[in-house]
Amino acid sequence: DAGITQSPRYKITETGRQVTLMCHQTWSHSYMFWYRQDLGHGLRLIYYSAAADITDKGEVPDGYVVSRSKTENFPLTLESATRSQTSVYFCASKDRVGVEASGYTFGSGTRLTVV
Amino acid sequence: AQSVTQLDSHVSVSEGTPVLLRCNYSSSYSPSLFWYVQHPNKGLQLLLKYTSAATLVKGINGFEAEFKKSETSFHLTKPSAHMSDAAEYFCVVSGTGGSQGNLIFGKGTKLSVKP
Repeated sequence: DAGITQSPRYKITETGRQVTLMCHQTWSHSYMFWYRQDLGHGLRLIYYSAAADITDKGEVPDGYVVSRSKTENFPLTLESATRSQTSVYFCASKDRVGVEASGYTFGSGTRLTVV
Repeated sequence: AQSVTQLDSHVSVSEGTPVLLRCNYSSSYSPSLFWYVQHPNKGLQLLLKYTSAATLVKGINGFEAEFKKSETSFHLTKPSAHMSDAAEYFCVVSGTGGSQGNLIFGKGTKLSVKP
């Protein structure tokens, strides 16, 4: 399913470097989300966006920055990568909130290693 | 605030035997509940969702879940396990209020299926 695309799939970076993970969706969904997945924690919300130019913090936002200048893109930037940010990152989108809305759709993930 | 608790971190069954993955939730509102599956090194796939319609929800691949408000449970079941069911399963509740639209994940249950 090519509706939501994450890039890169794999990334190795050094401590202190800035790195940006990309997320692109083709449905014009209003909502977009970034999660990180770590053993023993499930998925935890980093940031989310309800629409272009509207973003808000999730459960674990420290060390991350997001932007949403266009509806279809929601990049996640690690300003100065740390080893604790080694994780698998998932982007998701959803058209609107409410029980009638369609389900959430997840990208395939980006496996980030900080060395 | 919403939360989910998956009662087992690991479940092991034999092929052809029933599967039961347990999930309890906490929510101040009438929740939307989901089960997602993640196969090794893959993204997340929606198995089924409950959105205040029928309390018994049927999903893909023969899985179903029953919403029990009195027990605040949303257990996932399948009558007969298949080897291809081996994966990690996440119980998820949709956030409300200020975090409306966010998904709150349980920590996951790893299902192993023995031949």
